[in-house]
Amino acid sequence: KTQVEQSPQSLVVRQGENCVLQCNYSVTPDNHLRWFKQDTGKGLVSLTVLVHENDKTSNGRYSATLDKDAKHSTLHITATLLDDTATYICVVGDRGSALGRLHFGAGTQLIVIP
Amino acid sequence: DMKVTQMPRYLIKRMGENVLLECGQDMSHETMYWYRQDPGLGLQLIYISYDVDSNSEGDIPKGYRVSRKKREHFSLILDSAKTNQTSVYFCASSFREGTEVFFGKGTRLTVV
Repeated sequence: KTQVEQSPQSLVVRQGENCVLQCNYSVTPDNHLRWFKQDTGKGLVSLTVLVHENDKTSNGRYSATLDKDAKHSTLHITATLLDDTATYICVVGDRGSALGRLHFGAGTQLIVIP
Repeated sequence: DMKVTQMPRYLIKRMGENVLLECGQDMSHETMYWYRQDPGLGLQLIYISYDVDSNSEGDIPKGYRVSRKKREHFSLILDSAKTNQTSVYFCASSFREGTEVFFGKGTRLTVV
């Protein structure tokens, strides 16, 4: 059973618009949640990590929230650029070390059009 | 320069052939991973290595084996490749403690 669900599956926005990506999970325990960006044909690059209940992070035009009670996270992208076209993957870790397991969502494919 | 390097990037093999995927990292990470990524699915863990010659099965180890003889290198071997092993394979590495994981760019393997 998939323990990390992302929505929407895909999304098309116009350059300059904002967008919100959602991640719901059932992983227990939920030590941390990380958002990755995966450009087509490339590896995963970390955008941000959230650790604590009600964490909020900001990394340039990317900001994220985590609600551990609801087991829910959002990734906000502000003023999208064409280079934001990519797949965004939500990953939940059940421990704060390599002894834990990472649980991957299937990703949201974001397409930014001119 | 923190990097996980995978070779080759693209590979086409016939069913029944042996396949060797190689991965290197320059960060002295103890832990290394092999994942596969298929359309519509999250990355699935094939094997994890906690250090030299300290390897453990992941969630989908069947049909694969690994080798880690040096800390900086981790190989994935498919003995007698099958068509359902067509996938994109990612290597990753991390320190034993902490949450940060670094990924390679992937190897796209096609088994025909």
